[in-house]
This record gives sequence, structure tokens and C-alpha cells, in this order.
Amino acid sequence: AAGVIQSPRHLIKEKRETATLKCYPIPRHDTVYWYQQGPGQDPQFLISFYEKMQSDKGSIPDRFSAQQFSDYHSELNMSSLELGDSALYFCASRLNYLTGELFFGEGSRLTVL
Amino acid sequence: GIQVEQSPPDLILQEGANSTLRCNFSDSVNNLQWFHQNPWGQLINLFYIPSGTKQNGRLSATTVATERYSLLYISSSQTTDSGVYFCAVMTNFGNEKLTFGTGTRLTIIP
Repeated sequence: AAGVIQSPRHLIKEKRETATLKCYPIPRHDTVYWYQQGPGQDPQFLISFYEKMQSDKGSIPDRFSAQQFSDYHSELNMSSLELGDSALYFCASRLNYLTGELFFGEGSRLTVL
Repeated sequence: GIQVEQSPPDLILQEGANSTLRCNFSDSVNNLQWFHQNPWGQLINLFYIPSGTKQNGRLSATTVATERYSLLYISSSQTTDSGVYFCAVMTNFGNEKLTFGTGTRLTIIP
């Protein structure tokens, strides 16, 4: 069965650089979520989209932005990277905005040097 | 926001032992999921269980929504069961995001 696809799986950047993470949800899933997991922490919600519109926002820095495109894939753009942005970034998708389980991708590991 | 507490925070067991992990949450939920995060960081869906009981092989889970807790049972532990187990919930009040607990780190010793 198709799963949530994230790319790249690993990314190394310098401070103050920009990074873009991509997420391809499971086909027919219309809701996408982004989570950030720092070392030794639980995943923290960043932002979500339903039918290409932002549906909820969590603790996402102003330096980060995201969007969902017409084909339902989503991108998380991170600018002016800081050392503290080093983390695992997960994308998840859900078939229906109101019900059902979330399916997570394998994550993108960002290292900021 | 909703509070999600997991216990114990750490658990070390011999291979073959059984274990029970607990998740308490502070509000009504319409979604509860259990995940296993393996040493490579992958989040593996174990159960979608907002209420009731489910079993999958050596794993089973029970959620008592009215009492705001869920339990994950692992029987006959194997070393591949090692990792962090997360409970995550979603509330009934239009706050449509999963909130994770702090996890239980399980280590299975051969």
C-alpha cells in the first residue's frame, strides 16, 4: 500500500541557510500535517492543511512557511536556519479532516551546522 | 490544551517478558493512536483506538474513553520491540491535531 513519502530523508545545512522539505500524502488523503521532533523530545505539531488551505497552526516559527499544492503535496520552507532547527521533521496525512487515523512518513532529518 | 501523560517513562525488560504501558489524557478524545518509534526514528502506526480493544499479534491495546486512559500490552517481548512508544490523541473540540505524550522508552535485553 502507498505510504506518505517525504524528501529528502537527510539534509545538512549551514546556519542562516534555507531548506525545503517535501511531503507527498497517501493518494486521496486531503489533509496534511507537519511535525517537528527535537532530540529526545516528542513530536510537536507545526501546521496542517485541509484541501490546500491552512487548517491549524501550532508552534511554527515565523521563519518557517508551508503550503499545500493542487496535487495535495506539501512543502515546508525553513529560512535563516538556526542550530535549534536540527530535528526530525515528519509529515502525516489523513483521509478525512474530521475522522480517522494519521499516517506518518519516515521523516526528514535536518542537521544545521 | 490537552495533557497526555505516559508511564512509565523508561522500562527495561528481559526478552520474553510482558509489559503494560499506560497513557492518561486530560480531556475527551475522538482519536487515539499508539506508535512505536524505532532506533532509526521511524514512527510506526501500532493502533488507531479511540475506544475499545484491539489485538495485533503480540500487541494489544485498550482505551477506556470515559475514564480517559489507554493501555498498550506487549507480550513475549523481543529485542526488536525496543524503542520509544508514543500515545497521541486528538480532542473533540475542533482542535484537529494529534498531541503526543512524552513516550515510554522500552529496552529489551537479550
